[in-house]
This record gives sequence, C-alpha cells and structure tokens, in this order.
Amino acid sequence: DQQVKQNSPSLSVQEGRISILNCDYTNSMFDYFLWYKKYPAEGPTFLISISSIKDKNEDGRFTVFLNKSAKHLSLHIVPSQPGDSAVYFCAASVVGSGNTGKLIFGQGTTLQVKP
Amino acid sequence: GAVVSQHPSRVICKSGTSVKIECRSLDFQATTMFWYRQFPKQSLMLMATSNEGSKATYEQGVEKDKFLINHASLTLSTLTVTSAHPEDSSFYICSARVIEKLFFGSGTQLSVL
Repeated sequence: DQQVKQNSPSLSVQEGRISILNCDYTNSMFDYFLWYKKYPAEGPTFLISISSIKDKNEDGRFTVFLNKSAKHLSLHIVPSQPGDSAVYFCAASVVGSGNTGKLIFGQGTTLQVKP
Repeated sequence: GAVVSQHPSRVICKSGTSVKIECRSLDFQATTMFWYRQFPKQSLMLMATSNEGSKATYEQGVEKDKFLINHASLTLSTLTVTSAHPEDSSFYICSARVIEKLFFGSGTQLSVL
C-alpha cells in the first residue's frame, strides 16, 4: 500500500518558468511533510517542509502548498534553474504520535530544467 | 543543516562476503538513526531504526539476521550486510533525525557480484 504517491515520474520545464511537483497521500494521520532533492548516487538533501497546521510555507524560490482536505501537497519552484534538475521526493510522517519520526517517501519525480 | 557522514560511498564485493557501512553524525548527537534502501527507479524504503544502546527496530520483511545494525555511540551507527547476495545490491542510505527533519548521509552503492 503506497501511502505517499507521486504520480508523475518526470517533469520537464524551461529555465525561468515555474516547476510544479505534486504529491498525494492516503494516511490522514500524517502531520508533517517534507520535500527532498536527490542527485544520482547521493543521499537526499532536505529542501522544505510544512506542518499540517499550515497550508503554505515559502523559502526563497521554493514554496510548498498543503491541501489537507484533498490530501495533496505540491512543491513550486520559481523561477526554475538548470541546477534544479534532480529527483524530488515528497515524504510524510506522523510526528504528533510521538514516534521517532520515520518518513514514508513517494516514488520521486525527476525534474529536468532546460536552459 | 546537520551533517551526516556515510562511508564507504561505493563497495563491490563477492557473493557470500559481509559488508559494513558506517554512518556518523558529525556535529550533533543522534540517539536515533534510520537506514533506508533504494532500488533503481524506486522510492526510499525504511529498513530499520537504529537506537543508541538498544536493539534496532526492523521494518516488516527486513531480515534482522542479515542486516545487522549496531548503534554503540551517540554519533555512530553501522549496518552490516551479512553473506551478501546479488539481490542485496542496492543504494543504502542512513539518516539522523534533528527535530522533525531527517538529514541523510551521502549513501553507499553496494554491488554484489
């Protein structure tokens, strides 16, 4: 059972335009969501996160939106840069239960930003 | 952010041998570390939770006798793949939790011939 789903395996955008990466989840207990960026043969790098008490969090060019009723979150990158080309994973956890915060990851979306 | 160091980055071994992967938290103490595995074009899957001074907690379907985890200090956790087989070839990544965020090591690409 895939609790976190990224239905688009790949996305290609032009440099300077907006990149929108989507993520859906099924477990209503998730209360913390994160986005990670990963280059081949490297570990994931934390990008941005959002708590379930918020619906938006912004950090520079990166904004994450959370729609709890739809169990959907998205990552917006604007303007997109060639260096943003990587695999992006969304992840979710149930922090409020007091567990150790283990993450459930989506399958990843490969973003290609063309110059 | 917090720095997690993982070593080695790549290892090639013969079938039947054991491989040890180290994960260190460099600028903080980690009572809990997590070990993930990623097969090509798939998601990162949690294998086990490593707890300092106690036994690791393994996810369903992960053989604890095959994937030995030791967390002897607050800055070091090790994963030993015992009697490795070609199907164990994968990308192994450790992580440590800082508040609600996980910080990851650079990963170890294991290839079993």
